[in-house]
Amino acid sequence: KAGVTQTPRYLIKTRGQQVTLSCSPISGHRSVSWYQQTPGQGLQFLFEYFSETQRNKGNFPGRFSGRQFSNSRSEMNVSTLELGDSALYLCASSLDPRQNPYGYTFGSGTRLTVV
Amino acid sequence: AQKVTQAQTEISVVEKEDVTLDCVYETRDTTYYLFWYKQPPSGELVFLIRRNSFDEQNEISGRYSWNFQKSTSSFNFTITASQVVDSAVYFCALSESKGMYSGGGADGLTFGKGTHLIIQP
Repeated sequence: KAGVTQTPRYLIKTRGQQVTLSCSPISGHRSVSWYQQTPGQGLQFLFEYFSETQRNKGNFPGRFSGRQFSNSRSEMNVSTLELGDSALYLCASSLDPRQNPYGYTFGSGTRLTVV
Repeated sequence: AQKVTQAQTEISVVEKEDVTLDCVYETRDTTYYLFWYKQPPSGELVFLIRRNSFDEQNEISGRYSWNFQKSTSSFNFTITASQVVDSAVYFCALSESKGMYSGGGADGLTFGKGTHLIIQP
């Protein structure tokens, strides 16, 4: 079956702009989590969506937001981009990490560069 | 708060050598889950293993083995007879259980900083 699909693969934006990243989970998976990976901070949890509701959020400013659609696809938005937002953004899908903490499958990520 | 420490930033060995990647974790929960992921240059995190806190049995899968010791809060990963294809960044991660039982929401995975493993031919 198809894996987790993230689009676009690469993105270059200018400071102050906003960006939207997309994640299509594995068919049947209802949970989508987002992570930011930077050389300095490593992998950090952004937020998790389950059945169109944000269930939890990491320690990121309000410029980072997301949503999930009825088909479980999720989008992540970053407004007023800063140079420090340059990172690899990974999404992970799961049936329901509360019921099945084992089942996280990651996508290949979107590499965002802010110039 | 939970924390995962991978003290080895980079390890370089010659092919066919055995190599162990260390992982030490901190958590206040009695029920938690530990993971190892591999990240090749393509960027995708590839799942290797999961362990729950009640299962301290060591596991072997081909050339890979894992040693889980609650007494020292460690979950180490050993690759036997390493191969060039094993070159990647390896991450240890922790997930607490409160999402399952308390309804308070899942905090996601807490990752270590990763160990860059270089296998030289």
